[in-house]
Parts: sequence; structure tokens; C-alpha cells
Amino acid sequence: GAGVSQSPRYKVTKRGQDVALRCDPISGHVSLYWYRQALGQGPEFLTYFNYEAQQDKSGLPNDRFSAERPEGSISTLTIQRTEQRDSAMYRCASSPDTSYEQYFGPGTRLTVT
Amino acid sequence: QKEVEQNSGPLSVPEGAIASLNCTYSDRGSQSFFWYRQYSGKSPELIMSIYSNGDKEDGRFTAQLNKASQYVSLLIRDSQPSDSATYLCAVNMGDNDMRFGAGTRLTVKP
Repeated sequence: GAGVSQSPRYKVTKRGQDVALRCDPISGHVSLYWYRQALGQGPEFLTYFNYEAQQDKSGLPNDRFSAERPEGSISTLTIQRTEQRDSAMYRCASSPDTSYEQYFGPGTRLTVT
Repeated sequence: QKEVEQNSGPLSVPEGAIASLNCTYSDRGSQSFFWYRQYSGKSPELIMSIYSNGDKEDGRFTAQLNKASQYVSLLIRDSQPSDSATYLCAVNMGDNDMRFGAGTRLTVKP
């Protein structure tokens, strides 16, 4: 079946603009995770959802970052008033109900100029 | 602070040797442990999961878990150049709260 998809794959935006990153998980997967990954580092946890409920947002760097998953499927990570330090690869992963194994999407490369 | 620690490497082994990758974690209540492989420029790919103390083998890969020592490892037997990648340790610290280590970069030399 289809894997996790993310869009856009690449996003270049000017400092101060808002961006919305989309994640479409594997159908039926209960849990959805957002990570940020810098070059040479492991994925840095941002937030995750079980169904539509945001379980933990302690990894979000500041209040410019927010995420939602209103119908328990597709999720959007929004960054308001982007800054250059927000430039990174943003990864989404989903996990089925009966195991904790995560499956990653291809990522969105965000560049803030 | 929930932490997962890995040696960043790089770890270099000759082709055919055993590569040993190690990981420690801080949350004693963690129950699920995973190893991901990430090729340069690609997304992490799940290769092993382990939930109980002891060893779990899958082909050339063996995961080892010691909850008392809060330690999990991955052994790769008969290493191949195609195994060259970054290996990420991930720990589920309860209620699907997954945390990753920084990864160990492995190079297998022909």
C-alpha cells in the first residue's frame, strides 16, 4: 500500500512568512509524529498525535510552531513568522495501533532565506 | 529529561566483519526499542524492533536488549559495503512517545 507522504518536498520561503507542511500517514495508522532533523543528527522530536489528540507538544521549539490533525488522519505543521534558524528537514512518521514501529515519509526540506 | 545516547562514530569495519552499534537510554520504564537505518539523503528505515530482554535475530542483524542496564545494541554480521549508513536507535518511552539518538555512522570498507 501507499506509504507516508509529505508535501511539499521542498519549500523556500522568505523570513517572516508563514509555512504549512502537510503529512498524509499510512491509512489506518493511529499515531502520527513530527520530527525535525538537522544534517548529521538524529530526528528531533517535535510533537505527536494519537488519532486527532495531540499527546505531547513539548518538543515544539516555541509558540511560532503548531500542529493539528483535526480528523485523525492528515496533519499540518505550521510555522509562523519563519526565521532562518527554522531551516531544516521536517519529517513525519506514522505508527499503527498494535505496534510502535514508525514509518517515515520522505520529508520536507524547508529553507528560509 | 528523556534521552537516548549513541556513539556518533564514525565506525569503520572491513567487509565481512561484525559491526557493533550501541545505545543507552535514560527512562527505565521504556518498553520498546528500535533500530533504523538511514542512508545519506534518505528517510530512516526500520530494520529491527525488540521488546524483551535478550537477543533477536533477523538475517545478518541481531538486536540485543538489557533493560536492567538500560542498554540496547545492534550487531551486523558479515558486513557489506551496502550496510554503510547511519544507524539510529529509537526508544518508546511510554504512550507512543518515541525518542531517537543522534545516530552512529557506519562505514564498511571493501
